[in-house]
Amino acid sequence: NAGVTQTPKFRVLKTGQSMTLLCAQDMNHEYMYWYRQDPGMGLRLIHYSVGEGTTAKGEVPDGYNVSRLKKQNFLLGLESAAPSQTSVYFCASSHRGGWGNTEAFFGQGTRLTVV
Amino acid sequence: AQTVTQSQPEMSVQEAETVTLSCTYDTSENNYYLFWYKQPPSRQMILVIRQEAYKQQNATENRFSVNFQKAAKSFSLKISDSQLGDTAMYFCAYSGGGADGLTFGKGTHLIIQP
Repeated sequence: NAGVTQTPKFRVLKTGQSMTLLCAQDMNHEYMYWYRQDPGMGLRLIHYSVGEGTTAKGEVPDGYNVSRLKKQNFLLGLESAAPSQTSVYFCASSHRGGWGNTEAFFGQGTRLTVV
Repeated sequence: AQTVTQSQPEMSVQEAETVTLSCTYDTSENNYYLFWYKQPPSRQMILVIRQEAYKQQNATENRFSVNFQKAAKSFSLKISDSQLGDTAMYFCAYSGGGADGLTFGKGTHLIIQP
């Protein structure tokens, strides 16, 4: 009964380091999303995927890459971390039909600090 | 592009009072969906209530109800008999129904005072 699981929950990076955030869902959802949350900004969409092997850019994609090699996993990569990428990152998933026709589920978030 | 505006960065009310959180949005679509999410200090995003634009009847979920004014593009959340556990960030969000995710407002920090 895990739902959407994000790994890790917390991380501190030095500027220029790289890392990958993992999102795993066990609900057989087709759609998966990565958001970032910054104080006073709400949640903003980074990238999303409508199925295995497909990805698309969201509102704030610069500095991030994603991959969806398996249906249940959606990876978010930072190749060269910058202090501006300090944020809380959320993964979400839903069945085909998007947010309108079905409930979406969020992970518990990853707090990333870049120093 | 759609935009969602929450004009109240923070609100504070006494326990058991009724509070209304405001949200306005901008869209050229006729069919869409609106949501209120709650984010307590645990950081978890919790769906509170949703509204389909083609439905005239306002959605209700126990103590939570919305006032959906399609012509005015307004979608406010009313919390009745507020409880200490209602203390949280509340986000209004919009979806055109497609696959490209939700557009969120900047949030309202609601504090319920004992």
